[in-house]
Amino acid sequence: QTVVTQEPSLTVSPGGTVTLTCASSTGAVTSACYPNWFQQKPGQAPRALIYNTSNKHSWTPARFSGSLLGGKAALTLSGVQPEDEAEYYCLLYCGGDRVFGGGTKLTVL
Amino acid sequence: EVQMVESGGGLVQPGGSLRLSCAASGFTFSRYAMSWVRQAPGKGLEWVSVISGSGGSTYYADSVKGRFTISRDNSKSMLYLQTNSLRAEDTAVYYCAKDSPAGGKYVELDYWGQGTLITVSS
Repeated sequence: QTVVTQEPSLTVSPGGTVTLTCASSTGAVTSACYPNWFQQKPGQAPRALIYNTSNKHSWTPARFSGSLLGGKAALTLSGVQPEDEAEYYCLLYCGGDRVFGGGTKLTVL
Repeated sequence: EVQMVESGGGLVQPGGSLRLSCAASGFTFSRYAMSWVRQAPGKGLEWVSVISGSGGSTYYADSVKGRFTISRDNSKSMLYLQTNSLRAEDTAVYYCAKDSPAGGKYVELDYWGQGTLITVSS
């Protein structure tokens, strides 16, 4: 069973830039894993941000971007806003099951 | 407007069963695979199961394989999850989500419902 690993927590200052990563226990994450990213705030359902590595949904703010970085999937937030404080989850679909990462709690401080 | 509304959750004893439903609207239901995703209290997201647009293909997480069954009724735009032999560790909010277009290679999970809570306890 694939294990997907994310940073448990990160802190960023308002207006700053932060990169969250998503690693697979089976090896390098490639575009063939079609990485997805989701944002979840307390008491709310998850909201999709990025699909297929770097594609944004129509509602995804421009400051969010997805990429591959050093064998991992990455989500970069540029010009962080206070409302970006949330839990972020990646999902990998590397030809088998869909597997979520454990989530990254992003604090904006 | 795309919308998913789950129902059917509740309190059930270990070993019991529940059938979850998800009413979808705002898109051509039969053209999309649909997934169930769950979240235990205070924990992360766990993908549970997916069904193809036609209903002909289904896949399950190892943790629920043999106990849960996903199905759909395209004539009613309804998604279901039959959960049997429930365990305490199945306690979670269960979300249905629009997964990917038929024939698509990638997962989108672009629209989610608000979830329904299953609590497994004696």
